[in-house]
Amino acid sequence: AQSVAQPEDQVNVAEGNPLTVKCTYSVSGNPYLFWYVQYPNRGLQFLLKYITGDNLVKGSYGFEAEFNKSQTSFHLKKPSALVSDSALYFCAVRDGNTGFQKLVFGTGTRLLVSP
Amino acid sequence: DGGITQSPKYLFRKEGQNVTLSCEQNLNHDAMYWYRQDPGQGLRLIYYSQIVNDFQKGDIAEGYSVSREKKESFPLTVTSAQKNPTAFYLCASSTGQGRTDTQYFGPGTRLTVL
Repeated sequence: AQSVAQPEDQVNVAEGNPLTVKCTYSVSGNPYLFWYVQYPNRGLQFLLKYITGDNLVKGSYGFEAEFNKSQTSFHLKKPSALVSDSALYFCAVRDGNTGFQKLVFGTGTRLLVSP
Repeated sequence: DGGITQSPKYLFRKEGQNVTLSCEQNLNHDAMYWYRQDPGQGLRLIYYSQIVNDFQKGDIAEGYSVSREKKESFPLTVTSAQKNPTAFYLCASSTGQGRTDTQYFGPGTRLTVL
């Protein structure tokens, strides 16, 4: 069964500094990896995904994520954080085996960007 | 959130009552999903439907029921058998096909049991 770990409950960063939100995963087949963002009392917004190809994936709002197969990681990054990036971030994984495979979410990491 | 609507935004229920949460999508997606979100626990899958008139239980289906009579609609009923229904409920949809299949979410319904 697939699983996702987000080891940090909260990440604090100053505006203008680079940010990283960590995610590690476990699947039996090929991993399909996703990042979503959630603002208070709102649904999840899709940021980016890795299916295959380049290990560096670019997504919405200047975010990118680096897939590392040997470390089974898919960390979310942004070169320069904005106060408006403050939100709850979820990593998710789907097993690439054939047939329906559910999407499994991590417990979320709260990002707080200070002015 | 575009393309997926959930209503109501807030819902209050007395113990022993059944309530139904609405989810509608205009994305022409075949697959639809219901998740429950509790603080510190991420999202947990309640039910999913890959096609009209078919649905399957997810990880925490007990105390919930669904129907999928139309492609665009996937209502969730929280029954009195659900022991702790207070949570944030999220509906999602996707094409349900291919490696690049991506789920898109509605704005959510917050259910509170009084």
